[in-house]
Amino acid sequence: AQSVTQPDIHITVSEGASLELRCNYSYGATPYLFWYVQSPGQGLQLLLKYFSGDTLVQGIKGFEAEFKRSQSSFNLRKPSVHWSDAAEYFCAVGDRNAGNMLTFGGGTRLMVKP
Amino acid sequence: DTGVSQNPRHKITKRGQNVTFRCDPISEHNRLYWYRQTLGQGPEFLTYFQNEAQLEKSRLLSDRFSAERPKGSFSTLEIQRTEQGDSAMYLCASSFTTNTIYFGEGSWLTVV
Repeated sequence: AQSVTQPDIHITVSEGASLELRCNYSYGATPYLFWYVQSPGQGLQLLLKYFSGDTLVQGIKGFEAEFKRSQSSFNLRKPSVHWSDAAEYFCAVGDRNAGNMLTFGGGTRLMVKP
Repeated sequence: DTGVSQNPRHKITKRGQNVTFRCDPISEHNRLYWYRQTLGQGPEFLTYFQNEAQLEKSRLLSDRFSAERPKGSFSTLEIQRTEQGDSAMYLCASSFTTNTIYFGEGSWLTVV
């Protein structure tokens, strides 16, 4: 069965600092991988996705993520964090054989210090 | 695209009552998903439809839960005889075949 681990439950960074959120997955084949962001009480907004091809993917709001097959990782990065980036971030893996059913990690809550 | 629409956004109900949530997917999206999210957790898959056919159901979907998608358009999720443990946000999402999955704003359920 597929699974996703986000090792950091909370992360605090200063505004303007760089950010990396970790994601490790378990899946038997080449995965579909996603990062979503969720503001309090809201639904999920897609930041970026990896299906195949270039392992460095660009997303919205200046985010990028790198797929590393050897490490089973899909870490999310941003070079300079803005206060509006404070939110919950979820990594997910999609099951290609089951309608792209998503399995989510537990999430990382990002706080931004002024 | 008007996005995935969910109604009601908030529902408070007494234990033992039935509740129904509605989801209107993005137009022409043939896949529709339901997820459940409790506080501090990631969303958990409940079920998904391809057109009107329900193709996968999680073991989380007990007999008290039923989902339908008549005519392959909107979907409803009904919870019968609600329990306090059903309190959560119910998220609907849609996609076109294997493309990106778009989520709605969610429906919050509080069982008192």
